[in-house]
Amino acid sequence: QVLLVQSGAEVKKPGASVRVSCKASGYTFTTYYLHWVRQAPGQGLEWLGIINPNGGNTRYAQKFQGRVTVTRDTSTSTVYMELSSLRSDDSAVYYCARDPTLNSGSGSWHFDYWGQGTLVTVSS
Amino acid sequence: QSVLTQPPSVSGAPGQRVTISCTGSISNIGGGYDVHWYQQLPGTAPRLLIYDSTDRPSGVPDRFSGSKSGTSASLAITGLQAEDEADYYCQSYDSTLSGPVVFGGGTKVTVL
Repeated sequence: QVLLVQSGAEVKKPGASVRVSCKASGYTFTTYYLHWVRQAPGQGLEWLGIINPNGGNTRYAQKFQGRVTVTRDTSTSTVYMELSSLRSDDSAVYYCARDPTLNSGSGSWHFDYWGQGTLVTVSS
Repeated sequence: QSVLTQPPSVSGAPGQRVTISCTGSISNIGGGYDVHWYQQLPGTAPRLLIYDSTDRPSGVPDRFSGSKSGTSASLAITGLQAEDEADYYCQSYDSTLSGPVVFGGGTKVTVL
């Protein structure tokens, strides 16, 4: 079965960086795009970016341009999301999520499988 | 403030039908882009409920249905059950700098 298993909770100080991993299994890693979505406590969902594991092309939300970097390691079927210059309002649960749309284009992007989430707390 | 607008809460008695609206604009839903819906139970990751505006993934009960018209979409839950009490989010594509992926603010469904 498809599984996305994320790394554990992180506590960071303001100004630091955090890297969250997402290990995929149960399908061919390079076939499906993977997204990152976050959810602040008691708040809604917010999209950060996407990576095509086949080639490594990425696209980020305008809000996070320059602060977020998504990479992948095809040898371990793992995607990484690094967020820098952390602020207190970056405290959130960060999810990776698989996109089933293959080559349908960005207008159809959505998420069929999600990781369990990684809590990132930014506090001095 | 979310690009897609949802009511903060809806409620209904067991067995009733409830609907959740998702209102956008010409740059997203009104531009012909599909809407997708997710259910999020407390403390868990979201679950895909409806994709491409009207389609259900395997395993999702047919009590859940989606529709789209103009700049809005709706999720309907018929035969409301206690286990349906959750947060629901709509999602679409947006052609402005707000996008490309945008969400609604979420709707809490309460089963009375």
